[in-house]
Parts: sequence; C-alpha cells; structure tokens
Amino acid sequence: EAGVAQSPRYKIIEKRQSVAFWCNPISGHATLYWYQQILGQGPKLLIQFQNNGVVDDSQLPKDRFSAERLKGVDSTLKIQPAKLEDSAVYLCASTNPTSGGGTQYFGPGTRLLVL
Amino acid sequence: GNSVTQMEGPVTLSEEAFLTINCTYTATGYPSLFWYVQYPGEGLQLLLKATKADDKGSNKGFEATYRKETTSFHLEKGSVQVSDSAVYFCALRESSSNTGKLIFGQGTTLQVKP
Repeated sequence: EAGVAQSPRYKIIEKRQSVAFWCNPISGHATLYWYQQILGQGPKLLIQFQNNGVVDDSQLPKDRFSAERLKGVDSTLKIQPAKLEDSAVYLCASTNPTSGGGTQYFGPGTRLLVL
Repeated sequence: GNSVTQMEGPVTLSEEAFLTINCTYTATGYPSLFWYVQYPGEGLQLLLKATKADDKGSNKGFEATYRKETTSFHLEKGSVQVSDSAVYFCALRESSSNTGKLIFGQGTTLQVKP
C-alpha cells in the first residue's frame, strides 16, 4: 500500500512570496490533516478535512494560509504572503475513520525555508 | 486545553542501555495516547498506542502503559540499539472522535552510541 505522498520535499522562498504544497493521501482515507512542525517543537494541526469538507481550521492563520481538497482526495496548502516565522516542516497525514482505530499516517513532509 | 509534556532531550545512551522517556498529559475525558518516532530525513511513524487506562502498547521492543492515575505514558525499552537513534514524540487524541487531531509533545531526541 502506497503511503502519503507530499511534494515538493524542500522549498526556499523569500518573505512576501507565495508557495504551495501538495499532498496525496493513502487511497481510501477520507480524513486528511495538515500539520506545521517548527524546529524543536511537535507538530501542530493547521487544518483537518473530512472528504472535501473542513472539520477544523481553528489554528489556520487565514489571513495568509489557505487549503483545499476539492475532490476529496488530493489537497493543497498555500501560503501567501509568506513570513519568516512560516519556516517549518509541513506534514500531511491521513486516516480511515472506519478502520485501524483512526491511526494517522504521515507523509515525509515539505521543509520550507523563508528568507 | 489539552496538552502533552515530554522530558527534555537530548538523551544519550550507550548501546544495550535501558531507555525511559517520560511523557505526561493533561486532558479531559479519556484520550487515546500514542508514541510516534521520526528517523532522520523521514516522516513520523506510529510506534505504539494505547486507547484506555492500563492498556500497554508495544512494538519493536518498546513499551508504554497508559496510567490514568498519574496521567502518564512513559516510553521504555530494555536494550537500545544504534538504529533506535531518532526523535520520539508523545501525543494524545481527544476521546470524543476517532478522527480527532493529535496534540504532540515537543519531542525527545535519542542518540545511541556504539
């Protein structure tokens, strides 16, 4: 079974530029999460989707971050404009709510550096 | 709000030493508890989990017991190997949903020397 795929793996941009990350969850996983992991900290949830609907985006900085999952499969996370403090690893995870006890499976992450 | 606190690292051990990484949590209700491991250059992998009090999760020689009375979920291994060098994260999932978000501790870096 293929795991969670993310791209790109690394991205370097200057502040005020925009950037987008892509995630392809495990096939059949209806629930998808985006987490932000700042260096030296644990991941923190940005947004959670159930199919193509948003379940929780309470921690998403909506003035600059946006995310979508239009067809209930792939998802993109966008930052516009980026700030220095957005430098972090962006992790995508997915789960099948009807099996596996809700275990979340993580992708390799996208490492973003904002200069 | 709910939170997870882990012992500060880095933890440096010699091969075959005994490992304990402390984890305590604050939560309402009965959360599920997890240990994830992150090897260098890789994503987070589930190491073990426990979903109710007194449950013991185990995998690859690692163990952790869900202790509600002390709100703890300490990770242990009897004999560590160099290949266990990684960052370990303790996490909880709120009890109300099977798909709820994970709340992570700050992570503990383990370095095992030959």
